Amino acid sequence: DADVTQTPRNRITKTGKRIMLECSQTKGHDRMYWYRQDPGLGLRLIYYSFDVKDINKGEISDGYSVSRQAQAKFSLSLESAIPNQTALYFCATSDPPLGVPETQYFGPGTRLLVL
Amino acid sequence: KNQVEQSPQSLIILEGKNCTLQCNYTVSPFSNLRWYKQDTGRGPVSLTIMTFSENTKSNGRYTATLDADTKQSSLHITASQLSDSASYICVVSVTTDSWGKLQFGAGTQVVVTP
Repeated sequence: DADVTQTPRNRITKTGKRIMLECSQTKGHDRMYWYRQDPGLGLRLIYYSFDVKDINKGEISDGYSVSRQAQAKFSLSLESAIPNQTALYFCATSDPPLGVPETQYFGPGTRLLVL
Repeated sequence: KNQVEQSPQSLIILEGKNCTLQCNYTVSPFSNLRWYKQDTGRGPVSLTIMTFSENTKSNGRYTATLDADTKQSSLHITASQLSDSASYICVVSVTTDSWGKLQFGAGTQVVVTP
C-alpha cells in the first residue's frame, strides 16, 4: 500500500552495527506496528504504538527499540545487529472504527541481512 | 507452538481451477479471523474479515468460511488466475483488554500455472 512507506527496502549490515528502519504513513492513522517475518513462521509483533506518547512491547522486542517521532512516523532500531535478526520487517498502521474489526495496512517491507 | 496452523504449506494449481486453503486455530478468546494475501515482495493485504458470528464472507473470487465451534476456517479461490499466485495468510485476532492482538499463520504459498 503506497500510503505506508518503508525505508530502506533492502539493507545489508554487519554484526554489531546499529541500524534504523523507518516507516512513514499518509493514512492519518494513530496506531502503528512493527512486525518481522521469517520463512516458515507467521508475522510476529515487535512493538506497537497507539499514539505519539504510547509505546508498547510486542512478543519479540528484545534487541529492538522504537521511536514514534510523529503521528506519521515510527522507526525501528536494532541497537547491535546480530545474524538471527535477518528477516523481512513490516510496518503497519490501523485506525479502528468503533464496533468493527480493525484492518491493518502494511508497508512493502524491508529485507534485512545481518552478516 | 503456533496457535494458527495453515495447510497445505504450498500448492500448485492450473489456471482456471479452484482450490481451498485450510486454517486451524487454538487462540482464545477469539475475536475475529481474517485472510490476507501477500504478493512476493509486498506487504500483506486484507481479503476478508469474519467475526465469530459470521460463517462465510466473499470478496470477488475469494470465499472464506468460518466454523468457530471447531476453530477452523477455509479460503476458497474460484477460477484461479495467474495473479492469484501469492502467499495467503490466516490471521486470528485475540481479544484483550485494549485491542485485538493478531496471531498470524505461516501462510500457504499458492502458485498458479498457465
